[in-house]
Amino acid sequence: GAGVSQSPSNKVTEKGKDVELRCDPISGHTALYWYRQSLGQGLEFLIYFQGNSAPDKSGLPSDRFSAERTGGSVSTLTIQRTQQEDSAVYLCASARVAGQAYEQYFGPGTRLTVT
Amino acid sequence: GENVEQHPSTLSVQEGDSAVIKCTYSDSASNYFPWYKQELGKRPQLIIDIRSNVGEKKDQRIAVTLNKTAKHFSLHITETQPEDSAVYFCAANSYTGFQKLVFGTGTRLLVSP
Repeated sequence: GAGVSQSPSNKVTEKGKDVELRCDPISGHTALYWYRQSLGQGLEFLIYFQGNSAPDKSGLPSDRFSAERTGGSVSTLTIQRTQQEDSAVYLCASARVAGQAYEQYFGPGTRLTVT
Repeated sequence: GENVEQHPSTLSVQEGDSAVIKCTYSDSASNYFPWYKQELGKRPQLIIDIRSNVGEKKDQRIAVTLNKTAKHFSLHITETQPEDSAVYFCAANSYTGFQKLVFGTGTRLLVSP
């Protein structure tokens, strides 16, 4: 079946502009995560959606970052007034929560470059 | 909350050698421990996982061991091949009102022919 998809695959923007990154999770997966991966670094958790519950926003680095998930499916990560330090690969993952343990499936990521 | 530490950060081996990557975790309630492989420019992909009711799991050349008492788990790759070169991430599940995975910082494995 179709995996997690993200768009765009690459985004170059000027400092100060807003950007929107999109994630389409696997159908039926109720959990959705956003991570940020800077060059050569690990996976930095940003935000987590689970079903209709309020999201866990504890990983968002500043109030310039926000995310929403419409209809329990597609999610959009928005970065306002982008800064050069926002340059990174933004990865989305989804999971079918079953019991207490589950696999996260990652999308291909969006490479964001802020000039 | 859960904290996962991973060592080493880089590992270089000759083709055919074995490679071992170790992780420790802090939350005794964690019961799911996956390993992800990320090739250059690609997405992380699950290669093996283990749950707390078993101590070891094997899949061809890769195996994972878990010591719940000591709160550590390890990835073992035998007969390494150049295509094993990648960054490997361990993770442990954490429940703080929500289920999520906490990732280690990654190990860059380089297998030289």
